[in-house]
Amino acid sequence: DSGVTQTPKHLITATGQRVTLRCSPRSGDLSVYWYQQSLDQGLQFLIQYYNGEERAKGNILERFSAQQFPDLHSELNLSSLELGDSALYFCASSFGTSNTEAFFGQGTRLTVV
Amino acid sequence: KNEVEQSPQNLTAQEGEFITINCSYSVGISALHWLQQHPGGGIVSLFMLSSGKKKHGRLIATINIQEKHSSLHITASHPRDSAVYICAVYYSGGGADGLTFGKGTHLIIQP
Repeated sequence: DSGVTQTPKHLITATGQRVTLRCSPRSGDLSVYWYQQSLDQGLQFLIQYYNGEERAKGNILERFSAQQFPDLHSELNLSSLELGDSALYFCASSFGTSNTEAFFGQGTRLTVV
Repeated sequence: KNEVEQSPQNLTAQEGEFITINCSYSVGISALHWLQQHPGGGIVSLFMLSSGKKKHGRLIATINIQEKHSSLHITASHPRDSAVYICAVYYSGGGADGLTFGKGTHLIIQP
């Protein structure tokens, strides 16, 4: 158990809908990263928050947004969903930023139908 | 474009064999991760390296910063080692602060 909790584990929704994925980092970790794993693109970095503030953006679509709350949990919001958004979404946490080890949650499998 | 290349893409070996998976990257990094992903999908961090060598049980990871290359070794391989092994790096300098991933090595250990 990595100590990173993601909910829900599975999510099935229709095109055009909006969903929220939740991540609770390991106790004491200040950074939360969101990653997307699709069959054609592999694992890609979406966005990072550090201590409540957005720190870095990767390949995140404008239809996607995220935030980190004062208790350090994070939510990834995906809207106007398309079939191509079907993927595994991982959250990872670390104490610091790029020089500290990242620990991954079990992922949320999103299926858009 | 900063890329992470892994080889081989697929590897099938017999139980007990010594396994080596290679990773190369294109520019300077601040750290490199080796990750393991089982068929269920969860990702486990095996090692984080910025220099030298680390060992955990039957797993050994090395990195050569000058050659921009890392290797993951598995000694006395076992069927439970069957998984996808992914190399990922934090690039130093400006830009996104998340990991950049290789495509993974699919390892199957046959009994």
